[in-house]
Amino acid sequence: LAKTTQPISMDSYEGQEVNITCSHNNIATNDYITWYQQFPSQGPRFIIQGYKTKVTNEVASLFIPADRKSSTLSLPRVSLSDTAVYYCLVGGISSGSARQLTFGSGTQLTVLP
Amino acid sequence: GAVVSQHPSRVICKSGTSVKIECRSLDFQATTMFWYRQFPKKSLMLMATSNEGSKATYEQGVEKDKFLINHASLTLSTLTVTSAHPEDSSFYICSARIPGEAGNTIYFGEGSWLTVV
Repeated sequence: LAKTTQPISMDSYEGQEVNITCSHNNIATNDYITWYQQFPSQGPRFIIQGYKTKVTNEVASLFIPADRKSSTLSLPRVSLSDTAVYYCLVGGISSGSARQLTFGSGTQLTVLP
Repeated sequence: GAVVSQHPSRVICKSGTSVKIECRSLDFQATTMFWYRQFPKKSLMLMATSNEGSKATYEQGVEKDKFLINHASLTLSTLTVTSAHPEDSSFYICSARIPGEAGNTIYFGEGSWLTVV
């Protein structure tokens, strides 16, 4: 079970790039790294997923070093609407169980004007 | 991305009654769905794994007779909170994965607020 560790909170200003790092020292060979965004009273929303190196989509980039023991979510030019909790999940689903996809505490990102 | 829908988004029920929350996969067939519970300002806690056509698998500490889960079709799972008490008030979220998708990504519903009075 790959436990994840993230900063509890981060503050940023509008227009800045934000990098949130997640540690997952016990990641297994078959594990993927997935990041979700959650607004209050809403279900988590998929942001990005990666296995190694760098992944980029229209909203974020995900950097994964060679040892895969950590990952960094990068949000370019954040806006007030990016204020949310960000979760890093590590694992996969085997035998139909989500037991490996355990949520950590998440990072509360607050974007200030 | 995949769409998972929950209904109702908010429900209020009286103590002692039962309430059902539905979770549907709208554009894919989900052989497995997952139910989470979340208290205010806390992280999500996995309650159970719902498997189509078979019994759900409950996490340790979750009362299976209280939180009844049924996964009768490939697109629908239901969570029934039986004999509800005020301490059952919480945000319930379901999720599902697309079979065969790389990374086994799970997609979440909008969540359902349950208030027991």
